[in-house]
Amino acid sequence: EVQLVQSGAEVKKPGESLKISCKGSGYSFTSYWIGWVRQMPGKGLEWMGIIYPGDSDTRYSPSFQGQVTISADKSISTAYLQWSSLKASDTAMYYCARHIAVAPAHNWFDPWGQGTLVTVSS
Amino acid sequence: QSVLTQPPSVSAAPGQKVTISCSGSSSNIGNNYVSWYQQLPGTAPKLLIYENNKRPSGIPDRFSGSKSGTSATLGITGLQTGDEADYYCGTWDTSLSAGVFGGGTKLTVL
Repeated sequence: EVQLVQSGAEVKKPGESLKISCKGSGYSFTSYWIGWVRQMPGKGLEWMGIIYPGDSDTRYSPSFQGQVTISADKSISTAYLQWSSLKASDTAMYYCARHIAVAPAHNWFDPWGQGTLVTVSS
Repeated sequence: QSVLTQPPSVSAAPGQKVTISCSGSSSNIGNNYVSWYQQLPGTAPKLLIYENNKRPSGIPDRFSGSKSGTSATLGITGLQTGDEADYYCGTWDTSLSAGVFGGGTKLTVL
């Protein structure tokens, strides 16, 4: 069974750094892109970016470029999403998902991780 | 404001049919494949439809997808109370070189 298991909820203060994780199992981790999606409280889904663990090729949505860093460690089948200086507006649920890409513009997310709730408050 | 436009809410009675629209442009839906996701309350999204109209294994044929021009539609027949959820369309945007989602549609089964 293909599974993505994310790290637990985090409570941080503004200005702190954070790295959350997403561990894949049940498939060849290096053969599929992994994506990150933000969902702010009571709001919709926002596409943040994707990484190909095989060679660490990374693409960001213009809205998130420079705001977060996506990385992966293929030796432990784990992708990461990190912030260097959190803001209150980063409070949200963050989902990772396997990004199946038949071609650059021919893709979808399946399956999804359970989500990691990040709360940033002073 | 989302790149793809969905109605904020739709509703219908149990057993009835409902459609959810997703409107975009030539840089996204018009030239790329559309997927649909179901998010039940308090849970992670789940893939419902990919490649415009294909269902993953385990998704009942009550769910269907279609695309025409720069719009896509999700159809759900034989509505059940368990279908109450938020539904999102998604696709690639060639101009942004990134994926995009619709704003989501809340389905209420009255």
